[in-house]
Amino acid sequence: DTAVSQTPKYLVTQMGNDKSIKCEQNLGHDTMYWYKQDSKKFLKIMFSYNNKELIINETVPNRFSPKSPDKAHLNLHINSLELGDSAVYFCASSQGERENEQFFGPGTRLTVL
Amino acid sequence: AQKVTQAQTEISVVEKEDVTLDCVYETRDTTYYLFWYKQPPSGELVFLIRRNSFDEQNEISGRYSWNFQKSTSSFNFTITASQVVDSAVYFCALSYMNTGFQKLVFGTGTRLLVSP
Repeated sequence: DTAVSQTPKYLVTQMGNDKSIKCEQNLGHDTMYWYKQDSKKFLKIMFSYNNKELIINETVPNRFSPKSPDKAHLNLHINSLELGDSAVYFCASSQGERENEQFFGPGTRLTVL
Repeated sequence: AQKVTQAQTEISVVEKEDVTLDCVYETRDTTYYLFWYKQPPSGELVFLIRRNSFDEQNEISGRYSWNFQKSTSSFNFTITASQVVDSAVYFCALSYMNTGFQKLVFGTGTRLLVSP
């Protein structure tokens, strides 16, 4: 059984389009995250939700809007895609306390043409 | 500031060599947690180990070992008798509390290439 799943795995789209990435975890965790990994492999947190509430919101353009319909799901919607949005986006989950490791999804490779 | 530095961008070794990946961290917190993750060429991120700031015992798991030294703010990772399957990017990460919730900051990663 997949612990953290993301769809789609690959996403190729034109500049200016709007797209969504979905994430689901079946670990019973209460906290979920979105990370962006750029072409140099640098991983940076974008957002975090705890029990459907936004708790971390890094300096991310407001074209990015996360939504958590329940604590097992965290989706990421991106409006007006730009070339610089091309990256791998990882979803992760953990049980909220800092000592607990985060489990990552397989990643979604977004390519904006 | 909370920061993780992995100064080695890329390391190349030949199979069966031992290799150490360095990780130096900065934090103001007295309680914090350190992690290592592996990202193989297939792209997923795999959790390897967690360490808390109160436990400086070294840990060994098969060919992997970790050396945590608070005095030098380092959490280094050694692979003994490396194998081709160890080829991956390895990330060190620091967990700290931010507004009451966990925040993980990653180093820039070290790419390990193990050739036959």
